[in-house]
Amino acid sequence: EIVMTQSPATLSVSPGERATLSCRASQSVASNLAWYQQKPGQAPRLLIYGASTRATGIPARFSGSGSGTEFTLTISSLQSEDFAVYFCHQYNNWPPTFGGGTKVEIK
Amino acid sequence: EVQLVESGGGLVQPGGSLRLSCSASGFTFSSYTMHWVRQAPGKGLEYLSTITNNGGSTNYADSVKGRFTISRDNSKNTLYLQMNSLTPEDTALYYCVKKHSSGWYVYWGQGTLVTVSS
Repeated sequence: EIVMTQSPATLSVSPGERATLSCRASQSVASNLAWYQQKPGQAPRLLIYGASTRATGIPARFSGSGSGTEFTLTISSLQSEDFAVYFCHQYNNWPPTFGGGTKVEIK
Repeated sequence: EVQLVESGGGLVQPGGSLRLSCSASGFTFSSYTMHWVRQAPGKGLEYLSTITNNGGSTNYADSVKGRFTISRDNSKNTLYLQMNSLTPEDTALYYCVKKHSSGWYVYWGQGTLVTVSS
């Protein structure tokens, strides 16, 4: 199965700053990658699919890029509600697999 | 509005069994493939199982193959996960998920917690 590796495990960022999260696949997943946000006690929420398409209702400060094995989620200016854990997910190959997550915390 | 509501979780002893349910509303349940995904406490997400819209085809992650059985009752708009031979490693929050036809997970339930402990 494809292994998804996220880095860093924890990212400390001040409100208003830019956050850059990375996700690497052990083999190519083309653009079949999604990003989810998860807050404590809540289910994951879809942010990005197709590596770069924002899901319905997701603010423009969230952007995704990459293809093949290297992907990036960028939050251009962190708001208080953005402090959460972010997971990447490949759906190119079966079984679908997830990264271990990046926790974005307040610096 | 799509709603997925899981139930059936709880505390079970190692070797025991549990059946989870997911009640679906807000969409034509019988038209969609459905999935189970779990998350161990403080850990990442793990795909578990898939069932096609008519129940004719199922898939399982290696970690649960032979122990878990996915099923559905389209007349009740309900998805199930029968879990047997449970071990402490199965302790997790279990999510029912509706996927977009192209592969990403769009709708998640709130999860039901399964704790396997003596």
